[in-house]
Amino acid sequence: AQSVAQPEDQVNVAEGNPLTVKCTYSVSGNPYLFWYVQYPNRGLQFLLKYITGDNLVKGSYGFEAEFNKSQTSFHLKKPSALVSDSALYFCAPGGGNTGKLIFGQGTTLQVKP
Amino acid sequence: DAEITQSPRHKITETGRQVTLACHQTWNHNNMFWYRQDLGHGLRLIHYSYGVQDTNKGEVSDGYSVSRSNTEDLPLTLESAASSQTSVYFCASSANYGYTFGSGTRLTVV
Repeated sequence: AQSVAQPEDQVNVAEGNPLTVKCTYSVSGNPYLFWYVQYPNRGLQFLLKYITGDNLVKGSYGFEAEFNKSQTSFHLKKPSALVSDSALYFCAPGGGNTGKLIFGQGTTLQVKP
Repeated sequence: DAEITQSPRHKITETGRQVTLACHQTWNHNNMFWYRQDLGHGLRLIHYSYGVQDTNKGEVSDGYSVSRSNTEDLPLTLESAASSQTSVYFCASSANYGYTFGSGTRLTVV
């Protein structure tokens, strides 16, 4: 069975500081992992994905994520946060050949000036 | 350009009525999905389809049905709308690990 956990409902960070949004997962077979961002009253925007290959994945808007198989984690990171990064972030793993993505409950990122 | 569109964008309906939300994609993707988004729950999978005439239940399928008569469309029907089905609904399609989401339908059941 697939499951995902985003342990923090909200992450607060000052502008210019590094940020991390945590995600752990459980899937059958080889996982593929996504991060999406959602701004208020908007749809989901793709940030990055891991399918195979290099464990460090770089995505849109300066975000990156590291796939850690032993810890079953896929934390989202950015070296220097911007106020405009404030939004709701979703981790979404898929596994095996199901083609299904499941979503965490989301983490609200608040970047303060 | 290929796209995925949902309609209507907003819908208000009364308890007990049948409601159908439309999802149409021009990506020619075999896989299509319906999710609902509620505060504190993220996105939860309602139904999904891997191709024409194929439909499968997701984790919150009670009270919902889908049909897949062609590649492009996966309409979501609420058989008898309930207040608990007030939510934002997202449709998605995928192929080869590429997922595309619609803009969502905000449904209010009064």
